[in-house]
Amino acid sequence: GAVVSQHPSRVICKSGTSVKIECRSLDFQATTMFWYRQFPKKSLMLMATSNEGSKATYEQGVEKDKFLINHASLTLSTLTVTSAHPEDSSFYICSARDFAGNYEQYFGPGTRLTVT
Amino acid sequence: GDSVTQMEGPVTLSEEAFLTINCTYTATGYPSLFWYVQYPGEGLQLLLKATKADDKGSNKGFEATYRKETTSFHLEKGSVQVSDSAVYFCALSDLGNTPLVFGKGTRLSVIA
Repeated sequence: GAVVSQHPSRVICKSGTSVKIECRSLDFQATTMFWYRQFPKKSLMLMATSNEGSKATYEQGVEKDKFLINHASLTLSTLTVTSAHPEDSSFYICSARDFAGNYEQYFGPGTRLTVT
Repeated sequence: GDSVTQMEGPVTLSEEAFLTINCTYTATGYPSLFWYVQYPGEGLQLLLKATKADDKGSNKGFEATYRKETTSFHLEKGSVQVSDSAVYFCALSDLGNTPLVFGKGTRLSVIA
């Protein structure tokens, strides 16, 4: 099946710094990628929908200036958590939909962010 | 809007027991239905899917049948193993480019 990678898998940063998370589709082109956040023992919360070459669409309650999303190519989307705070600590998961637009989303392995 | 409701866990079973995790949905159109599995510390993996009514998705001994009349997609496995311990998410996708709508997840623990 299609493969989506995320980097880094784990990151620890200090409060006030920014962290960039990369999401790549390795063997297909993804016009649309999604960013999710998962709290411990909770379901996935959709943060934003990222379309290649255009601005991301953020879900209600998600601060677009804090969670910067860039989808510069058909295989790469990045999420930057700016001025991170401990409450931003979470598991961030991206997914990608292939160029053919079928219903299946392929998920990355997730990035564990810890802000100290 | 579209939504997915699945049984709350945690579910604890002995090895070789029968598993059912209930999932029902509401949708305005004719969605595709999915079950995803998340093993500890990992991302989500597609377990199985069904794209139209009466379709049965199956994988690794798990099955689920798309029941339009009851708007359900219950996950079943005849004999669970310890390695099946994970969180299972039911999800739907209504239109081609919309994100998946997830249920809250059901944690399954299988003990030897």
